Amino acid sequence: SQTIHQWPATLVQPVGSPLSLECTVEGTSNPNLYWYRQAAGRGLQLLFYSVGIGQISSEVPQNLSASRPQDRQFILSSKKLLLSDSGFYLCAWSFGGTIYTEAFFGQGTRLTVV
Amino acid sequence: SQQGEEDPQALSIQEGENATMNCSYKTSINNLQWYRQNSGRGLVHLILIRSNEREKHSGRLRVTLDTSKKSSSLLITASRAADTASYFCATDGGSGYALNFGKGTSLLVTP
Repeated sequence: SQTIHQWPATLVQPVGSPLSLECTVEGTSNPNLYWYRQAAGRGLQLLFYSVGIGQISSEVPQNLSASRPQDRQFILSSKKLLLSDSGFYLCAWSFGGTIYTEAFFGQGTRLTVV
Repeated sequence: SQQGEEDPQALSIQEGENATMNCSYKTSINNLQWYRQNSGRGLVHLILIRSNEREKHSGRLRVTLDTSKKSSSLLITASRAADTASYFCATDGGSGYALNFGKGTSLLVTP
């Protein structure tokens, strides 16, 4: 069976500090990978998605970047955090090669920039 | 970008009643999905309906899709307190990859 791991669960970082959130998937190959951000009381904003190693699509211009160094590893980064980067970050995966697939979510990272 | 738009934003009902949530979207789709999120947790997939399907059932869930109106509805029958959560619709916007979510409907089921 497939599992997704996302860490850390909570993070408090000062403004201007770097960020690295990691997400890994087990039990499948060549998954589609996603990073979402959810502001308090709001919906999910798609930040990045990847359909293969080294292939990153960015949905919104921002202070963040994503990388996929391995097939089942997806990393969200920032060189200098802003207060507006606070939020609930969710990693997700779906089966590659089909358009009729659900997304499986990690438990999220709550980031507070202070 | 956010494709789906759920309505209502919040819904409060009593146990045993039915809950209906609606979703409207803007562009063509391959499929539309509904997810549930308990407070502070990740999302859990509920049901997927393809663009060539009009209705789908899963347990106490019934989803309809009207592609001519670009809308979908989620019906939860005989609701329980454990159904209290936020519900989101998501569409692929025709890309097949990038799932875009609406802002969700917050459902409260009271005993």
